[in-house]
Amino acid sequence: EEQLVESGGGLVQPGGSLRLSCAASGFTFSSYSVTWVRQAPGKGLKWVSYITSSSSSTIYYADSVQGRFTISRDNAKNSVYLQMNSLRAEDTAVYYCARLPSDYHGMDVWGQGTTVTVSS
Amino acid sequence: DIQMTQSPSSLSASVGDRVTITCRTSQSINNYLNWYQQKPGKAPILLIYGASSLQSGVPSRFSGSGSGTDFTLTISSLQPEDSATYYCQQSYSTPWTFGQGTRVEI
Repeated sequence: EEQLVESGGGLVQPGGSLRLSCAASGFTFSSYSVTWVRQAPGKGLKWVSYITSSSSSTIYYADSVQGRFTISRDNAKNSVYLQMNSLRAEDTAVYYCARLPSDYHGMDVWGQGTTVTVSS
Repeated sequence: DIQMTQSPSSLSASVGDRVTITCRTSQSINNYLNWYQQKPGKAPILLIYGASSLQSGVPSRFSGSGSGTDFTLTISSLQPEDSATYYCQQSYSTPWTFGQGTRVEI
């Protein structure tokens, strides 16, 4: 079964850091781009970041996280990471990772999500 | 940024009804338009990609159409399990953006 599993969420104080992980199984992970999408409580979906499948991965960020979040991947471990620094209350959300066969094909496999709460 | 305007924000329909949700983009996106279904507490599911291609495993009552800046998701015969929120999303250029969602109630 093709699967993504997120981990690393939790409660953190404003200004703190968290590292989310997205572990893939059941498919050739290195062939796929991966994206992070978040959903604040009761709100819609918001794109966060994206890393391509290429060996020299191309990376993109939403303006709201640029300079604070860092996406990376380790194809040997079939994993993508989201390092989140300088966290703010407005970063509170469920964070999903999803894979993309290509930009045109959409996000076809999603993880179950991990919850990040930024609060004092 | 490409703005997504999705309508309606919610609708109520009966089993067997034909339901249409529209998504308008602020600029042409060359059919890089995807539709997702999300049920409460669950991750989204890809329904349609490339504006009109049905994702594998998705029931054929779901279909997508449109081009340029105007797109439509149609459920040909609404089923009880279709109660969910539906989102359009453009992957033409970053930042990728989603519509605000349409809640479908049965």
